[in-house]
Amino acid sequence: QSALTQPASVSGSPGQSITISCTGTSSDVGTYNLVSWYQQHPGKAPKLMIYEVSKRPSGVSNRFSGSKSGNTASLTISGLLAEDEADYYCCSYATSSTFVVFGGGTKLTVL
Amino acid sequence: EVQLLESGGGLVQPGGSLRLSCAASGFTFSNYAMSWVRQPPGKGLEWVSGISGRGGSTYYADSVKGRFTISRDNSKNTLYLQMNSLRAEDTAVYYCAKDQVVALQYFDSWGQGTLVTVSS
Repeated sequence: QSALTQPASVSGSPGQSITISCTGTSSDVGTYNLVSWYQQHPGKAPKLMIYEVSKRPSGVSNRFSGSKSGNTASLTISGLLAEDEADYYCCSYATSSTFVVFGGGTKLTVL
Repeated sequence: EVQLLESGGGLVQPGGSLRLSCAASGFTFSNYAMSWVRQPPGKGLEWVSGISGRGGSTYYADSVKGRFTISRDNSKNTLYLQMNSLRAEDTAVYYCAKDQVVALQYFDSWGQGTLVTVSS
């Protein structure tokens, strides 16, 4: 069981917007603005898409955005493209001896 | 361009040991913390261990504490993970990931991974 809870799958049609939630606790997401999101295509290494809740690394499309409210972080992808089909993982710094926690991952299908 | 190249994976029997390496280039290695993240076949990501830029601080997931040791050689721009008392549940692709100046923030570059299989 992962420390952060994500939906197992989401889907959307090209051009639509989708949001992936990531629910943690006051020991991680709720306390620290150190939530990051990673995209992983099959057989490939993860790629950083969002860091510090809502910041985008250079080169990442502005169709990707992040937010947080309470213990839940969210990743929104607007204007869905076929290339967005991948697995997405949230991640957060956590207190005590846990240090870093990932979500279980969400499979995005572009219909 | 940041490059991270892992090596050292392979097949090992339960109870055995393995040492992973990650050769880094394209950035000032000693300035940045580093981490190991693993992914069992068909499953999600799990953070394993992290180390500060100078190597003075180390961090471990409870699942590997006491069995794995992370270290780095900044003169060789290389990160290591010594894995002892390996179990079947340690079977995974192991990625090294570049962290930030302050450890455990977020991982902006990843290697391609090396597969560790623990089986008799």
